[in-house]
Amino acid sequence: DTGVSQNPRHKITKRGQNVTFRCDPISEHNRLYWYRQTLGQGPEFLTYFQNEAQLEKSRLLSDRFSAERPKGSFSTLEIQRTEQGDSAMYLCASSLLDRGDQETQYFGPGTRLLVL
Amino acid sequence: AQKVTQAQTEISVVEKEDVTLDCVYETRDTTYYLFWYKQPPSGELVFLIRRNSFDEQNEISGRYSWNFQKSTSSFNFTITASQVVDSAVYFCALSEVYSGAGSYQLTFGKGTKLSVIP
Repeated sequence: DTGVSQNPRHKITKRGQNVTFRCDPISEHNRLYWYRQTLGQGPEFLTYFQNEAQLEKSRLLSDRFSAERPKGSFSTLEIQRTEQGDSAMYLCASSLLDRGDQETQYFGPGTRLLVL
Repeated sequence: AQKVTQAQTEISVVEKEDVTLDCVYETRDTTYYLFWYKQPPSGELVFLIRRNSFDEQNEISGRYSWNFQKSTSSFNFTITASQVVDSAVYFCALSEVYSGAGSYQLTFGKGTKLSVIP
């Protein structure tokens, strides 16, 4: 039984470069979330997928950010023209609604991004 | 808008002491869910508990217990006989049901860093 996996675990990039992160959810989970966590803060919601459809985006998700979930399996989060303010931990979580329409989100280990 | 406040930024206790982590939340919804997650130094958020707004029963799981009080909008977490392995950042979180898009996005507090000293 594998949990949520994320790759890479760490990424160092220069300002202005593009980066892409990958999230592989728990296999039977059709719901997927991306969060961003900066130092000393709790995670903040970025976007939500149900199967392959991106149904909700936070105002934190600027035009430089794009997320996809082709075929409703793994998801990618791309940041274009990175800025130093993008330095953070990017967390992915997956879930499945239970019979009571409730869910628990299970998180991956995160990708720590440092923009120089 | 929803909000979660964890007023304790850092707590240090000596091993075997009991410790309570406070969580106060704000929401306008009558249906909502409360969570606690643990984040050890490795960074991965580990799920501990989920409660829904209709269930105010306190819960105990081993050395962990949770006290949910709607009257004070609090969902506090107590670790009994703390151990060094309990050292981590603990987050309280709230989710509401967004019926339109179906998202149950979590709103987190800023976390409480617990250090258990041997």
